[in-house]
Amino acid sequence: DAKTTQPPSMDCAEGRAANLPCNHSTISGNEYVYWYRQIHSQGPQYIIHGLKNNETNEMASLIITEDRKSSTLILPHATLRDTAVYYCIVRVGGAGKSTFGDGTTLTVKP
Amino acid sequence: DADVTQTPRNRITKTGKRIMLECSQTKGHDRMYWYRQDPGLGLRLIYYSFDVKDINKGEISDGYSVSRQAQAKFSLSLESAIPNQTALYFCATSDLPWGPVDTQYFGPGTRLTVL
Repeated sequence: DAKTTQPPSMDCAEGRAANLPCNHSTISGNEYVYWYRQIHSQGPQYIIHGLKNNETNEMASLIITEDRKSSTLILPHATLRDTAVYYCIVRVGGAGKSTFGDGTTLTVKP
Repeated sequence: DADVTQTPRNRITKTGKRIMLECSQTKGHDRMYWYRQDPGLGLRLIYYSFDVKDINKGEISDGYSVSRQAQAKFSLSLESAIPNQTALYFCATSDLPWGPVDTQYFGPGTRLTVL
């Protein structure tokens, strides 16, 4: 799995967009970018994944740079319940197992 | 009912004791995983199994063993628990992917304290 770098913490105002960056400069051509989040000490929850195109689902949007060396997870209208640790994971699609870094702790404030 | 269950949810044990953590899933997935999480850190992979006859070591398998009793059950054992194995343990499952979306589904975790 490619190494990822994320800021340790970020704050966001409730109702505003939360933009969480991830650096993955050593990503290989067959590696996907996955995002999970962990609320409090619960099991991590899948959010979104992408290869090179931008992706959107009901939870978030994923923007991947053209050179694929970095990406941004966007929560368009953050709520207090989005306070969590967000993990950016880069691995081969279908590999199953994930290498988790320390993630970004997002705190959404009223 | 939860798709991935872990028992026990909390356990306190003493150094040197043997302990087993159990994971069951109703998702029908072939692949199962055990992760460990220390305070303030990300999850680290202990063992994983892609089917009943396939068991693989992860990055931190020393001091642990596993058993895949059936497709739905994957147990993690600490043969002789030590205090630095105090952590939050997560079980996860994923399906055999037809594409890149092999989403992992995590259980609620087991908080283990070794005194």
